[in-house]
Amino acid sequence: QKEVEQDPGPLSVPEGAIVSLNCTYSNSAFQYFMWYRQYSRKGPELLMYTYSSGNKEDGRFTAQVDKSSKYISLFIRDSQPSDSATYLCAMTPIGTGANNLFFGTGTRLTVIP
Amino acid sequence: DTAVSQTPKYLVTQMGNDKSIKCEQNLGHDTMYWYKQDSKKFLKIMFSYNNKELIINETVPNRFSPKSPDKAHLNLHINSLELGDSAVYFCASSQDTTDTQYFGPGTRLTVL
Repeated sequence: QKEVEQDPGPLSVPEGAIVSLNCTYSNSAFQYFMWYRQYSRKGPELLMYTYSSGNKEDGRFTAQVDKSSKYISLFIRDSQPSDSATYLCAMTPIGTGANNLFFGTGTRLTVIP
Repeated sequence: DTAVSQTPKYLVTQMGNDKSIKCEQNLGHDTMYWYKQDSKKFLKIMFSYNNKELIINETVPNRFSPKSPDKAHLNLHINSLELGDSAVYFCASSQDTTDTQYFGPGTRLTVL
């Protein structure tokens, strides 16, 4: 069993929809949580970074962490065709900062105009 | 003005060959990484160097050998390539071992 589980999708939504992407994890030592976006044939780029349980908002993106359930989410409001990409969650154990990242398998999202 | 660059972008080779992938970052970062992304998009760290010293060496066959000639470069040499080595290899860098990682565009390796 992988330490980080993520539904690979694919997920297709119409433009303007709210998108919910989720990951679960088994290692309670994970304390830092990230979401990366990866366009086709490109490297991952960091979208959101959070440490504590709760919500963190950045424009149309909201990252949510529930450490008690070992569950993290990324919400995208008013989705745009330019949001079409693979979204990877990543996390790292306490004490290692953002160095040793454990990734989910990624969810491929397509936003249809 | 690419921040993290890799060469080559594509690499097609026969089983048993030895090949190298090069990575360079112009961000002035101290830490560099190699990741492998398999066909199912699973991204897993292989190595991490900080100031030219190896700090992470995950369970990777010893056919894979990273080399860091200076802080701006981290190359990956692979001996006796196998079919299972086919993947996309990403280089990344960060200011230090706790900072955000910036990824290169990837090298798509196909072993025939």
